[in-house]
Amino acid sequence: QVQLVQSGAEVKKPGASVKVPCKASGYSFSSYAMHWVRQAPGQRLEWMGWINAGNGNTKYSQRFQGRVTITRDTFASTAYMEMSSLRSEDTAVYYCARELGGKGAFDYWGQGTLVTVSS
Amino acid sequence: QSALTQPPSASGSPGQSVAISCTGTSSDVGAYNYVSWYQQHPGKAPKFIIYEVSNRPSGVPDRFSGSKSGNTASLTVSGLQAEDEADYYCSSYAGSSNWVFGGGTKLTVL
Repeated sequence: QVQLVQSGAEVKKPGASVKVPCKASGYSFSSYAMHWVRQAPGQRLEWMGWINAGNGNTKYSQRFQGRVTITRDTFASTAYMEMSSLRSEDTAVYYCARELGGKGAFDYWGQGTLVTVSS
Repeated sequence: QSALTQPPSASGSPGQSVAISCTGTSSDVGAYNYVSWYQQHPGKAPKFIIYEVSNRPSGVPDRFSGSKSGNTASLTVSGLQAEDEADYYCSSYAGSSNWVFGGGTKLTVL
């Protein structure tokens, strides 16, 4: 069965970077796009960007352009989301989500990784 | 892109029907049939329940249905059950490889 497994919670200081992995299993990793979505405490879901796991092409929300980098390791079936210059407002749960092929929807989600930015 | 507009809350009694709207623009909801809906219980990851406006993934009860008219999509939950109490989010493709989510609606089963 399809599973997306993310790493445990992280605590970072303002100005630091964080890299969150998302290990996929149960399907052909390179055949599906992977998206990243975040949710600040008590707030809405916010789309961050996505990667074509086959060719590595990426697209980022304008809001995160320049501060977020999404990569993938096809051999490890793992996607990564790295965010730099962290600030307190980046405290949130970060989710990876697989895109249902060509349907514009996110059919499987990771369990989420809480990133807390605090001095 | 700005978030899609959803009512902050909705409610209904068990057995009743409730509709949740999701209003976008002619650049997202109105332009594409890539509207999807997600159910999120507290502390859990979202679960997708509708894709391409009105399609239900396998395993999702037919009590959940979706539709769209112009720039507004809607999710209807019929025969409300206690376990339907959750937050609901819409999402739409917004062109140029971008996606946008709605602000979320908290559904309360009275």
